[in-house]
Amino acid sequence: QSALTQPRSVSGSPGQSVTISCTGTSSDVGGYNYVSWFQQHPGKAPKLMIYDVTKRPSGVPDRFSGFKSGNTASLTISGLQAEDEADYYCCSHAGSYTLVFGTGTQVTVL
Amino acid sequence: QVQLVQSGAEVKKPGASVKVSCQASGYSFTGYYVHWVRQAPGQGLEWMGWINPNSGGTNYAQKFEGWVTMTRDTSINTAYLEVSRLKSDDTAVYYCAREEVGSSSFGAADIWGQGTMVTVSS
Repeated sequence: QSALTQPRSVSGSPGQSVTISCTGTSSDVGGYNYVSWFQQHPGKAPKLMIYDVTKRPSGVPDRFSGFKSGNTASLTISGLQAEDEADYYCCSHAGSYTLVFGTGTQVTVL
Repeated sequence: QVQLVQSGAEVKKPGASVKVSCQASGYSFTGYYVHWVRQAPGQGLEWMGWINPNSGGTNYAQKFEGWVTMTRDTSINTAYLEVSRLKSDDTAVYYCAREEVGSSSFGAADIWGQGTMVTVSS
């Protein structure tokens, strides 16, 4: 199972919006509405930000939103804040209750 | 408080095995899958598999079939990951994470352990 494809990095100024793409195939992203997104700060464990493509766990700001079209999912961070600077990983069901992660995207707040 | 606490860092020689533990507290251990995910230094996340602590059933990523074993001890609310025949490229932080059994979701691991660094070096 190959890793999902994400841009290596994206950046934006405080208050702006950034969008991270996550491209897979019809066997993973395109085949299931089970895409999640994780935020990871340096030296820390990942944190769940979005699950089931669009749902936010309790406590995650509504600045974070998810979307999917075909084989590509995306995470948008609106009103970018300094604490949003981190690595972000998408994750998808890849059939037979297995998972595959994306390659990861570094978000920089300018 | 809901948490997963993992065992400490390990240094192993190539060819050896390592067993990492993940102890759950603050919730019903048997009600949540335990996923194992690893991250090599400076690299991305890699899903290894899950165990259902209630049944003991497992599901491994194809890459790890045959050399990774996930087990659990429900008497002490602990899941284990054993990696055998270690190579230098198994050097990584190994994380456990929980996900609710029987929910309508999949991939929604909401609580993670702090990670266990495993270094493989001769």
